[in-house]
Amino acid sequence: DQQVKQNSPSLSVQEGRISILNCDYTNSMFDYFLWYKKYPAEGPTFLISISSIKDKNEDGRFTVFLNKSAKHLSLHIVPSQPGDSAVYFCAAIGGSTLGRLYFGRGTQLTVWP
Amino acid sequence: DAGITQSPRHKVTETGTPVTLRCHQTENHRYMYWYRQDPGHGLRLIHYSYGVKDTDKGEVSDGYSVSRSKTEDFLLTLESATSSQTSVYFCAIRGDTEAFFGQGTRLTVV
Repeated sequence: DQQVKQNSPSLSVQEGRISILNCDYTNSMFDYFLWYKKYPAEGPTFLISISSIKDKNEDGRFTVFLNKSAKHLSLHIVPSQPGDSAVYFCAAIGGSTLGRLYFGRGTQLTVWP
Repeated sequence: DAGITQSPRHKVTETGTPVTLRCHQTENHRYMYWYRQDPGHGLRLIHYSYGVKDTDKGEVSDGYSVSRSKTEDFLLTLESATSSQTSVYFCAIRGDTEAFFGQGTRLTVV
């Protein structure tokens, strides 16, 4: 029973353009949502988070949007750079089980020159 | 960088032997997690802890046990290693709104 889903396994974007990574969830009790970037042979790196009471959070080139009615969030990267090429994971905190941290399966982003 | 370290970083072990991986934090966070990452599966939760001596199972807990006798340490034990447990293992720690990962342990069971 996957409560956080990333339905696109891969995304390819040209350098300078916008990258939009999507994530859906099923549990309306989640308190926070987080995005991570992961390079091969490294641990996931925290990028940005958003509280369930907000609909937008911005940090430099990264913006996360939350649509609670649709149970959907997205990460926008503008402008995309080749160094952004990595696997991006969406995660959620909260729900009925104390302390669980739920992850999607990830989306491989490739930014080409 | 968040104060989280995993040891060892690499290990090769034989089928049937017990193996213990260690996760150490200096952040005094309540929550600690063990995940494994395999191609096509993303990050799958093995076990997690919500306090000293308080642990719970994740989605792939069979064949694994954990212990947390101190806030700073969370140990993952493979009771009798099998080839299906060859994987990269990540530890994570979490505060209220953020979670940070260790660099991972690459375990190979031969």
